[in-house]
This record gives sequence, structure tokens and C-alpha cells, in this order.
Amino acid sequence: EVQLVESGGGLVQPGGSLRLSCAASGFTFSSYAMSWVRQAPGKGLEWVSFISSGGGDTYYADSAKGRFTISRDNSKNTLYLQMNSLRAEDTAVYYCARRLGYCSSTSCYVNFDYWGQGTLVTVSS
Amino acid sequence: QSVLTQPPSVSAAPGQKVTISCSGSSSNIGNNYVSWYQQLPGTAPKLLIYENNKRPSGIPDRFSGSKSGTSATLGITGLQPGDEADYYCGTWDSSLSVWMFGGGTRLTVL
Repeated sequence: EVQLVESGGGLVQPGGSLRLSCAASGFTFSSYAMSWVRQAPGKGLEWVSFISSGGGDTYYADSAKGRFTISRDNSKNTLYLQMNSLRAEDTAVYYCARRLGYCSSTSCYVNFDYWGQGTLVTVSS
Repeated sequence: QSVLTQPPSVSAAPGQKVTISCSGSSSNIGNNYVSWYQQLPGTAPKLLIYENNKRPSGIPDRFSGSKSGTSATLGITGLQPGDEADYYCGTWDSSLSVWMFGGGTRLTVL
């Protein structure tokens, strides 16, 4: 059974940093691209980032560029999101999701087939 | 304001059919695959439809997807109370080089 378990959320002050983790099991982690998607309280889904299976290709939403870094450790079956310079508007539940499909030079034909339960990040003083 | 436009809410009676639209442009829906996600209250999203009209294993055929030009549609037949949820479309935007979700549609089964 595919399982994705996020951790690392919590309360952080504006300008602070946090590292989220997503522990994967039930599938060959190193064969799949992965993604982070967030959801602010009472709001819709917002894609944050994804990373290729080997970690060499990464993509970011404009809201994450320059502040967030997605990475993975295939030996530990774990996905990470390092979040720096956090702002109040980063407050959200952060979900990790397995990404299917592929990206070409011009587009990404992908979808997200399994999701974790999410971890809440609150940015507040 | 999302680039992909969905109606904020739709409603229908049990047993009836409902459709949820997702409108975009040639840089996103028009030239990329659309997927649909169901989010039941208090839970993580779940993939319902991928590559415009394919259902993952375990998703009943009451759920269907279609795409025409720069719009996509999710159809749900034989509505059940358990279908009450938020539904999101999603696709890649080739001009912006980002993945995007629609704003979401809340389905109420009356």
C-alpha cells in the first residue's frame, strides 16, 4: 500500500525557516517524481514544487522560487521541502504527492496519484 | 483569482447528474492533460480523473472527464451523499511553466 507521511510542520515566526519531510513507503520511491502542494485555511489547492525521480530536475511556483527548496533522499525514501524567509501567507497545510507522467522541454503531462495527509505550517508572531 | 476558472458551487439531488466545468486557455488546458481531484471534508485530495478522461483503478464509472478546446468538464452521475466534496481541476501551463489548480467547486448533494 502506498503511504506518504508528512512531518515537520508547526508554528514559526515570520522570516523563519522550516523543513518539511515526507516519508514514502509501499512503492519504489526512487522511480517516481514527487511534489508539494499546499492549501491555506479555507482556500483552494496551490501547487508549490516538484522534483524528478533522480532529483536533478526541479520546478517551483513563483510564490516558492528563491525561498523554498525541494529535495529528496532516495536512500531514505524521503522527500523534503526547505522553506526559508517564511511569510504569513505561507500558512497552509502542506501535502506531498506522488507525481505521475513526464515533463518535456515545453510542457509537463503529469498528475498526482497519491497524497499524504498533510502537515500544518503556521507563520505567525 | 485562478487562471483556471471553475464555478464556486454546484448542487443536485441524490441520483441526479452534475457537471463541473474548468475553463482555461490554449497555454494550459488547450495543449495539456487535465486531471481532476476530489477533496472530501477534512481529508487530502484524491485523484479522480487523469489525462482528461481516464479513471484510476477504484474510481467508479459514475465519474467521467472530457475536454474540448480550452475547457474541461467533470461529470458525476448517480449522485450520492458521499460525493459532497470540493472538486479541483488541474493542468500545466506551458507559457508560465507552472502547474495550476482551478479555484475549486463545492458540490452539495441536496
